[in-house]
Amino acid sequence: DVKVTQSSRYLVKRTGEKVFLECVQDMDHENMFWYRQDPGLGLRLIYFSYDVKMKEKGDIPEGYSVSREKKERFSLILESASTNQTSMYLCASSLAGAFNQPQHFGDGTRLSIL
Amino acid sequence: AQSVTQLGSHVSVSEGALVLLRCNYSSSVPPYLFWYVQYPNQGLQLLLKYTTGATLVKGINGFEAEFKKSETSFHLTKPSAHMSDAAEYFCAVTLSGGSNYKLTFGKGTLLTVNP
Repeated sequence: DVKVTQSSRYLVKRTGEKVFLECVQDMDHENMFWYRQDPGLGLRLIYFSYDVKMKEKGDIPEGYSVSREKKERFSLILESASTNQTSMYLCASSLAGAFNQPQHFGDGTRLSIL
Repeated sequence: AQSVTQLGSHVSVSEGALVLLRCNYSSSVPPYLFWYVQYPNQGLQLLLKYTTGATLVKGINGFEAEFKKSETSFHLTKPSAHMSDAAEYFCAVTLSGGSNYKLTFGKGTLLTVNP
């Protein structure tokens, strides 16, 4: 089974801090994704990466950046955390090459910015 | 652009009753469609997917969904609800062709199962 591991289940940070959310997958997937999930809004794509050092903006990239130095690891960075970034963050991965490949999700990081 | 609409943000059924969760999509090209389930404090888990071929798709835990192109729908059903089915369900679509692998999600339907 695919395992997508997010480093923290719960995280509390302060406004203005630089925050790192880490995600690791163990199935050699080319694609990796970061979403945020808010009640009533579903999942919204922040960034995705289709290869090492490659990234593309999703629907809501403002205030975020990403890093993919190794194939198995995809990091989400909040450059200067703000209270409106309090949310559940979900990482996912999938195989490349076919659009019918499902995405596999981690258990999420619930981030609170005070 | 692709989009997904889930009708009903909250559905409540009795244990043993039929579960019907509605999903309509908008797409100008043949879509790939997915249903995911999210249990409390967990990530999303794939229930089933439609790519091509048979329009009735069977998934895990007794769920199935039927792709109806004429109605642009992909509704999720289960004949008999179980207490363990209580969760949030998300419909998602991606398009064949193009250069990215983005999934577009609906806003989710919270399923409550009453004893």
